[in-house]
Amino acid sequence: DIQMTQSPSSLSASVGDRVTITCRASQAIRTWLAWYQQKPGKAPKVLISIASTLAGGVPSRFSGSGSGTDFTLTISSLQPEDFATYYCLQSDSFPLTFGQGTRLDI
Amino acid sequence: QVQLVESGGGVVQPGRSLRLSCVASGFTFIHSGMHWVRQAPGKGLEWVAVISYDGTQAKYVDSVKGRFTISRDNSKNTVHLQMDSLRPEDTAVYYCAKDKSDYYHYGMDVWGQGTTVTVSS
Repeated sequence: DIQMTQSPSSLSASVGDRVTITCRASQAIRTWLAWYQQKPGKAPKVLISIASTLAGGVPSRFSGSGSGTDFTLTISSLQPEDFATYYCLQSDSFPLTFGQGTRLDI
Repeated sequence: QVQLVESGGGVVQPGRSLRLSCVASGFTFIHSGMHWVRQAPGKGLEWVAVISYDGTQAKYVDSVKGRFTISRDNSKNTVHLQMDSLRPEDTAVYYCAKDKSDYYHYGMDVWGQGTTVTVSS
């Protein structure tokens, strides 16, 4: 199975900060990586697919990059509604696997 | 609008069965692969199963192989997850999610609100 390791596991930041979350795959996954945001008690919401394609309706302050084994999610200027938990997902091979999550709070 | 609505969750004893359903609307169901993803209390997301657009292909995480079966009825825009021989470690919120592709490669782009399954004696 492909292991997805996110870092950091948690992060404290302030409104206006630039934040970067990384996801490392245990083997190459080309660009089959997505990023999700989840708020407490809610379903996840897709932010980025195929490593760098912004999902519809997602603000442009979110961006994704990477290929192979190393990927990043960047939020250019944190807004109050961005405080949540973020997950990466590899969809290169079965079983699909998520990272353990990065909790972003104030 | 694009919507997925799950049902069928509940409290069940270990070893018993439960069938989850997910009704889709607002998109062309027959074009999309469909997933089930679960989240145990206070834990992260775990992919459970996926089925292709036409129902001919399905894959599972190892921990549910032989116990869970994913199926779909394209005439009713519905995907099911039949869960047999349930274990306490299957306790979770189960989400139905649509793939951007006809099977699995693009990942989930729309999620339901989730249905809670509790396995306890």
